[in-house]
Amino acid sequence: EDQVTQSPEALRLQEGESSSLNCSYTVSGLRGLFWYRQDPGKGPEFLFTLYSAGEEKEKERLKATLTKKESFLHITAPKPEDSATYLCAVQARGAAGNKLTFGGGTRVLVKP
Amino acid sequence: EPEVTQTPSHQVTQMGQEVILRCVPISNHLYFYWYRQILGQKVEFLVSFYNNEISEKSEIFDDQFSVERPDGSNFTLKIRSTKLEDSAMYFCASSAGQNNQPQHFGDGTRLSIL
Repeated sequence: EDQVTQSPEALRLQEGESSSLNCSYTVSGLRGLFWYRQDPGKGPEFLFTLYSAGEEKEKERLKATLTKKESFLHITAPKPEDSATYLCAVQARGAAGNKLTFGGGTRVLVKP
Repeated sequence: EPEVTQTPSHQVTQMGQEVILRCVPISNHLYFYWYRQILGQKVEFLVSFYNNEISEKSEIFDDQFSVERPDGSNFTLKIRSTKLEDSAMYFCASSAGQNNQPQHFGDGTRLSIL
């Protein structure tokens, strides 16, 4: 069974204080690993897809990396508007219906 | 930017009643999904739908649940006889294709069963 574990559960940062979020996964052959941002009362908003170990993707202050067992989301010099819950999800190779298995998320609060 | 829209934003229903949640996926997308998130828990996959058929469903998606694409734009989730434990946020998503194409989510319908 595919499993995704995210840590820490919550993270409080000062504006400008860089940090990393972890997503550990076990999956029967990885087709893709997805990062989403979720604001309160909203649906997950797509950020990145990573396909293979060693791959990196960047968007503004966010950078996602992937190894064979985990992914990291690095937040560089965060601003208050980066406050959100960040979700990681995996899709297994051979998933007939493109099912995503989500982790529990990391709640990030960036204080000015 | 195209987006997935869901209605209603909040639905309150008596236990045992039928409820239909509605979604309008992104217009050129071919794959459609329902997920749910019970308060404080992970987002869970319910069902995926392609070419007017269910592609995959989870154990949660039992005989009480059904999905339909009644026309060219809507995608619905029906729960026939709601239970208290069906209370959750239900998210619709769509993707342009399969094979690690990103799924784009709506803002959800909060379903409260009394």
